[in-house]
Amino acid sequence: AQKITQTQPGMFVQEKEAVTLDCTYDTSDPSYGLFWYKQPSSGEMIFLIYQGSYDQQNATEGRYSLNFQKARKSANLVISASQLGDSAMYFCAMREGNSDYKLSFGAGTTVTVRA
Amino acid sequence: DAGVTQSPTHLIKTRGQQVTLRCSPKSGHDTVSWYQQALGQGPQFIFQYYEEEERQRGNFPDRFSGHQFPNYSSELNVNALLLGDSALYLCASSYRVPGLSEKLFFGSGTQLSVL
Repeated sequence: AQKITQTQPGMFVQEKEAVTLDCTYDTSDPSYGLFWYKQPSSGEMIFLIYQGSYDQQNATEGRYSLNFQKARKSANLVISASQLGDSAMYFCAMREGNSDYKLSFGAGTTVTVRA
Repeated sequence: DAGVTQSPTHLIKTRGQQVTLRCSPKSGHDTVSWYQQALGQGPQFIFQYYEEEERQRGNFPDRFSGHQFPNYSSELNVNALLLGDSALYLCASSYRVPGLSEKLFFGSGTQLSVL
């Protein structure tokens, strides 16, 4: 079974608008971490935001926020005030356990920001 | 402060050949992980090295092997190359101790083409 599911292969968003990228996950481990990475055409995976399974509040990092709904096993990324430079592939990933640095990635969502 | 550096950036090999990819972790990081990213897919975990030993391995055949040196840099070796090994190979570094850093820092990858 897929551990991370991203159902949106591609999305278009107008500059300055907000966009939500969907991510659902599957794990039986009570301790896990959820990550979002951005991958521009250069190939480098750029860390955006992290949410731990025991964190009480939703994570925020600048224009990025993570809508964490534990019961639904979803961890959607919200990008506010989109910029042209936000055009890239976005990956949701999960780490299971406390000391395991192996990440399981979803298939990704391509975001294209229009001027 | 240099981030994760990988070399070479691009590589072309023929079936049956062997290849070595190199990675220098971010300054201060002691753990290196390798990922394979096929075109249009999310990265898949190959293995992780800490204290010069392979600590965890994903679902890859033993044609894939690695090494970590005392300075924490790492090599990924792939023997008997197959066409299906064509992919972007990403190296990621982190601290081994949980809590010091929750995130992996990725390099820009090595694009391997097998002809």
